[in-house]
Amino acid sequence: AQSVTQLDSHVSVSEGTPVLLRCNYSSSYSPSLFWYVQHPNKGLQLLLKYTSAATLVKGINGFEAEFKKSETSFHLTKPSAHMSDAAEYFCVVAQTGANNLFFGTGTRLTVIP
Amino acid sequence: GAGVSQSPRYKVAKRGQDVALRCDPISGHVSLFWYQQALGQGPEFLTYFQNEAQLDKSGLPSDRFFAERPEGSVSTLKIQRTQQEDSAVYLCASRAASSYNSPLHFGNGTRLTVT
Repeated sequence: AQSVTQLDSHVSVSEGTPVLLRCNYSSSYSPSLFWYVQHPNKGLQLLLKYTSAATLVKGINGFEAEFKKSETSFHLTKPSAHMSDAAEYFCVVAQTGANNLFFGTGTRLTVIP
Repeated sequence: GAGVSQSPRYKVAKRGQDVALRCDPISGHVSLFWYQQALGQGPEFLTYFQNEAQLDKSGLPSDRFFAERPEGSVSTLKIQRTQQEDSAVYLCASRAASSYNSPLHFGNGTRLTVT
């Protein structure tokens, strides 16, 4: 079975400081992992994906994530938060051959001016 | 080009009414998904189409939920005899290929409120 656990339901950072959103996954086989962002009243947008190539994945808007198999983690980071980063972030796992994606419960990022 | 389009954007239904939610995927996208997102939760899988074939409907919560994609493009999610627990945002997503590691493109969702 596959699942993801987002360890923080809410993260608050000051503008210009680093962002860390944590995600641990559980998967029977080699997973594909994604981070999606959801701004209020908007659709989900793909930030980045890991599909067994490089373990450090760079995404849009300066975000990146590192796949660590030994820790079963896929944490999302950004060196310097912008006000526009305030949104809900979802860690997502897809298992080889599976049709659907499994979403975490989300982390709400607040950026303080 | 245009993204995934969903209509209506908001729907209020009285308990017991039937509703139909529409999804226009990105043109040419083979795969289409429906997800249900309850307040404060992550999206949960409902059903999956590859072209016109509904290959997985394991996430549909009851037989009141029905989805179709008769010509392999537009899809409709129908909920019969709505209940309060059906209140949620219904998200549609499409994907260019059937490959599991291709990203999904999501619409803005339909927010259903059952009163």
